[in-house]
Amino acid sequence: GAVVSQHPSWVICKSGTSVKIECRSLDFQATTMFWYRQFPKQSLMLMATSNEGSKATYEQGVEKDKFLINHASLTLSTLTVTSAHPEDSSFYICSAFKAGTRVSRGETQYFGPGTRLLVL
Amino acid sequence: AQSVSQHNHHVILSEAASLELGCNYSYGGTVNLFWYVQYPGQHLQLLLKYFSGDPLVKGIKGFEAEFIKSKFSFNLRKPSVQWSDTAEYFCAVSNAGNMLTFGGGTRLMVKP
Repeated sequence: GAVVSQHPSWVICKSGTSVKIECRSLDFQATTMFWYRQFPKQSLMLMATSNEGSKATYEQGVEKDKFLINHASLTLSTLTVTSAHPEDSSFYICSAFKAGTRVSRGETQYFGPGTRLLVL
Repeated sequence: AQSVSQHNHHVILSEAASLELGCNYSYGGTVNLFWYVQYPGQHLQLLLKYFSGDPLVKGIKGFEAEFIKSKFSFNLRKPSVQWSDTAEYFCAVSNAGNMLTFGGGTRLMVKP
């Protein structure tokens, strides 16, 4: 199978602090990972595309200086929420593609279990 | 830009009832279509996908979906639901790139 893990599962932090969320592909290499955000009772919204060894591509309206993404290896991408505020409280989900695959060829992306962030 | 709409936000059914969840998308080019399921407390799992070929796609757990190009639709169906199908279902669309655009999701509750 293809397993994607996220750490931590839950995080509660004070307003103004930074939080790092890890996304790991456990049994495959992932050149591309995606970061999504899901607000309560809403759908997943793509935040950014993380490519190994290069800068992330952010969707319109997502502040790249606030949501720092680092994809330093083929199995790990990190999302750091800097100077978190209560409105950043959300469910953050990552997904990963196996290296060499593409959605356009009908390949599947594999989702992590998500990280729930609560900023007080 | 592509968009996906799921018309039913909440659906409540009794066991053995038939299910159909609507999904419409707006994109003029070639698309790949997906249905994902998220069981309570679990991560998203792929139910089925349409890439090309037969527009009637069969997925896991008895689910199927039909791609109707003229209607820009990809509705999910199951002839007889079970209590264990209680979950949130997301339709998603991708074009030539790798980006997925999700619909708003449909929460299905199946009463035993």
